[in-house]
Amino acid sequence: EPEVTQTPSHQVTQMGQEVILRCVPISNHLYFYWYRQILGQKVEFLVSFYNNEISEKSEIFDDQFSVERPDGSNFTLKIRSTKLEDSAMYFCASKLQRYNEQFFGPGTRLTVL
Amino acid sequence: QQQVKQSPQSLIVQKGGISIINCAYENTAFDYFPWYQQFPGKGPALLIAIRPDVSEKKEGRFTISFNKSAKQFSLHIMDSQPGDSATYFCAASASEGNNRLAFGKGNQVVVIP
Repeated sequence: EPEVTQTPSHQVTQMGQEVILRCVPISNHLYFYWYRQILGQKVEFLVSFYNNEISEKSEIFDDQFSVERPDGSNFTLKIRSTKLEDSAMYFCASKLQRYNEQFFGPGTRLTVL
Repeated sequence: QQQVKQSPQSLIVQKGGISIINCAYENTAFDYFPWYQQFPGKGPALLIAIRPDVSEKKEGRFTISFNKSAKQFSLHIMDSQPGDSATYFCAASASEGNNRLAFGKGNQVVVIP
């Protein structure tokens, strides 16, 4: 069964460093999302991406964040200068069409020291 | 703004019992209501979802009840099993826009043998 994959599973970085979180959505999916989950809290929407551009972003997704689909398979989230409060699980999700369900990857745990 | 409110926060159920989790939403544009199941260290996995054209949907031991006028929906887990012990998130999204999911805070269900 096709699934969303994410790498790395755990990323430890120093405050102020740049990190890139990688996702491989399900191959024929067209809509892509990033969410994050701070430990013990709910899952929060960050950004959606369709047709090679951001379609919506939340107030969390400030200028420090960017997303890219550099080729036909990868979808990346970059945080330019990490802060302590960026520590969270980051989930990538994808879906085939506008009204279909979103499939989530296993997440990347980001720890900012 | 908390668009989806979930209760109770945690639930302990005997094996074979019924687990009931409730959610309430505020945005009347929401028209898709999924429940996600999450195990520790894993991403949310879609369990069951409903659209407002029906008041109930059943899949195996899992049932969603939907009350459009009250803006509430609930998840019932029948014959609860220890393997059902997980965190359950309700969510909602609107077809208009980019279908970003608004999640509830989650409910930890523990099924004791």
